[in-house]
Amino acid sequence: EDQVTQSPEALRLQEGESSSLNCSYTVSGLRGLFWYRQDPGKGPEFLFTLYSAGEEKEKERLKATLTKKESFLHITAPKPEDSATYLCAVQAIGGADGLTFGKGTHLIIQP
Amino acid sequence: KAGVTQTPRYLIKTRGQQVTLSCSPISGHRSVSWYQQTPGQGLQFLFEYFSETQRNKGNFPGRFSGRQFSNSRSEMNVSTLELGDSALYLCASSSGPPVTGELFFGEGSRLTVL
Repeated sequence: EDQVTQSPEALRLQEGESSSLNCSYTVSGLRGLFWYRQDPGKGPEFLFTLYSAGEEKEKERLKATLTKKESFLHITAPKPEDSATYLCAVQAIGGADGLTFGKGTHLIIQP
Repeated sequence: KAGVTQTPRYLIKTRGQQVTLSCSPISGHRSVSWYQQTPGQGLQFLFEYFSETQRNKGNFPGRFSGRQFSNSRSEMNVSTLELGDSALYLCASSSGPPVTGELFFGEGSRLTVL
């Protein structure tokens, strides 16, 4: 059974204080790993897709990396508007069960 | 370009009733997926439709069903509601198949079962 575990569950940072969010996964065969951002009262918003170990993607202050067992979402010099819940999901080869999501990291950036 | 539209946004039902939720995907997207989100379980996959055909189904009881119409709009139905069905139901569309993880989500329908 595919599993995704995200840590920490919650993280409070000061504006400008860089950090990383972790996503550990087990999947029979990885088709893709995905990061989403979810704001309160909204649906998740797609951020990145990673397909193979060693791959990296960047967008503004965010950078996602992938190894064979985990992914990191690095946040550099965050701003208050980066506050959100960040969700990690995997899709197995065959993808018969849709995406398997972790429970997310609730990130708060204090000014 | 309009996003994914879900209706209703909020609804309250009592145990034993049934509910139908609607989803209009992004124009041109032919694939629609449904997810249930709860604080305890997070996001869980319900089912996925493409060209009016159910392609995949998650591990939910038969009380959960869905369909897709020729214009790609989708509905999901939950019959004989239970308290545990209270959740945010999210619809997502994509241009697939193949359905990748690049999903565009609506804002969800929040169902409360009393």
